[in-house]
Amino acid sequence: AQRVTQPEKLLSVFKGAPVELKCNYSYSGSPELFWYVQYSRQRLQLLLRHISRESIKGFTADLNKGETSFHLKKPFAQEEDSAMYYCALSGGQGAQKLVFGQGTRLTINP
Amino acid sequence: EAGVTQFPSHSVIEKGQTVTLRCDPISGHDNLYWYRRVMGKEIKFLLHFVKESKQDESGMPNNRFLAERTGGTYSTLKVQPAELEDSGVYFCASSPNPGLSYGYTFGSGTRLTVV
Repeated sequence: AQRVTQPEKLLSVFKGAPVELKCNYSYSGSPELFWYVQYSRQRLQLLLRHISRESIKGFTADLNKGETSFHLKKPFAQEEDSAMYYCALSGGQGAQKLVFGQGTRLTINP
Repeated sequence: EAGVTQFPSHSVIEKGQTVTLRCDPISGHDNLYWYRRVMGKEIKFLLHFVKESKQDESGMPNNRFLAERTGGTYSTLKVQPAELEDSGVYFCASSPNPGLSYGYTFGSGTRLTVV
């Protein structure tokens, strides 16, 4: 079964501090992993995907197949990073649907 | 480029009534998806259209839910009759072929409250 676990419902850090949002997944094949973000009063939007290996808004995420993790990291948090973050998985091989984690609400304190 | 549009943005109905949610995808996106987030739980897949055809409807909770996509353009999701547990936020998303590797574009969602 496909499952995504985000162990922290709430995460609060100070501005300028490093941020790590945890995501672990369960999938027997080769998944595609994504991070989606929802800022206050905005729609859910793609932040980054593991296949592109890019950094968006200073965030990076590395797929660790051994640990089945896809943690989201940023070295220096900014106040505008406060949002709801969702880790999501797709089964790959053309699979279309996403399996989401419960989400982590990140709050950056000034 | 217009985004994915959903309406209404909010709907409050009584248990037993019928509600129809609408989603207009980005023009030219063949793939249209419905998801929902019930209070306190994760966002869950409901179904996937490719043009006007249902590709995967494995997430539809029961036969009170009916989704259609007329002519491969906009889609409607009807709940009839609505129950209290149907309350939540219903998201629509679209993506171009070949699909998921491009990521979805989500609508703003419809917040449904059944009282």
